[in-house]
Parts: sequence; C-alpha cells; structure tokens
Amino acid sequence: KAGVTQTPRYLIKTRGQQVTLSCSPISGHRSVSWYQQTPGQGLQFLFEYFSETQRNKGNFPGRFSGRQFSNSRSEMNVSTLELGDSALYLCASSLGGHQGPLHFGNGTRLTVT
Amino acid sequence: KNEVEQSPQNLTAQEGEFITINCSYSVGISALHWLQQHPGGGIVSLFMLSSGKKKHGRLIATINIQEKHSSLHITASHPRDSAVYICAVLSGAGSYQLTFGKGTKLSVIP
Repeated sequence: KAGVTQTPRYLIKTRGQQVTLSCSPISGHRSVSWYQQTPGQGLQFLFEYFSETQRNKGNFPGRFSGRQFSNSRSEMNVSTLELGDSALYLCASSLGGHQGPLHFGNGTRLTVT
Repeated sequence: KNEVEQSPQNLTAQEGEFITINCSYSVGISALHWLQQHPGGGIVSLFMLSSGKKKHGRLIATINIQEKHSSLHITASHPRDSAVYICAVLSGAGSYQLTFGKGTKLSVIP
C-alpha cells in the first residue's frame, strides 16, 4: 500500500508570493491533517479535513487555507508569504478521528526569502 | 505554559539501557499519540492510546488518565532508537485537534 505522498519536497519562495502544497493520503483514508514544524515552535496543528469538510482549524491566520477533494487528496495554500512561514509542512492521513494511527508524509520544506 | 510537557528534553543513553520518556498534559483528552521523528523529518506513529498500556517490540507506552500522564519506555536501547520522540494529545471527542509536546531528543551511544 502506498504511503502518504507530499509534493513538492522542497520549495523556495519570496515574501509576498503564495504557495500551494499537495498531500495524497493512503488509499481509503478519509482524514487528512496538516501541521507546521519550526525549530522555535515545534509541531503545530494547522487544520484537518474529513470527507471534504474542514472539521477543525488551529491558531493560524487566514493566510493559511486548505481544501480536500472527493478523492481525499488535500491541498494547503499560504498566501502573502512571510519569512516566518519558513518551515517543514507535514500532512498525515488516518481512517478518521480516533480510528487509528496517523500516517505522516515526508513533508514539504518551504523556505521564504 | 504549554499544554503538553515532555521530559527530559534531551537524553543520552548507553546501548542496552532502559529508557523512559515522560509526557504530562493539562487538558482533557480522548487519546494520546507517541511519535518518532528521525533526522530528515520523517515521522512515524508509534502508539495511539486512550487507556492502559500498549507494547510493540521493545517499546512500551502507558497512560494514566486520572493523573494526566503518559510514559514511553524503550527496553534494551539501540543506536537506531536515536531520534526525537514526540507526545501529542488529541482533545475533544468528535473534533480532531492535536497538541504537541516539544519532543525529547534521544541519543543512544554504542
């Protein structure tokens, strides 16, 4: 069974630009969640989607948004990039809610210059 | 104050030692995850538990809901166990928000 796939692996953008990251979950998993990891703040929850609906959102500004498609693939978008958005962005898939362990992708490392 | 506190922050052990990593949390939770992150960023889910104890190979995880505390034990530690171990709590039935500890960096020396 293929794992969680995140694309791209690395991305360099300049301040003010926007970026879209993609996450393909394990087949059959309907929940996709997104996380930001920085050296200072550690891992922080961004949002979670289940069957195309956002069920919860972390404490991030509205510049961070996401969506989930009918095939459970998910994208997250960051608009008007700031230097502080430089981070490793991870997604994880699961059967949904408390139903099993999280399966993480390898992440997208975003550098904002 | 962080809702999830891990201790110790850093741990160095000799190969073969028994290791304990602790996680305390202040909120009501429905489940707790233990995660392992190797250099390079990949995260592996080790355990998800809401009560009692789970064991997988040399790894054991326990949780005490009343005391809001969980421990991860590694028996007969090996250099390949060197990684960052992260505790994360899942709060709220029906919602899905994970709050993470800052992680414990473990180095096992041969």
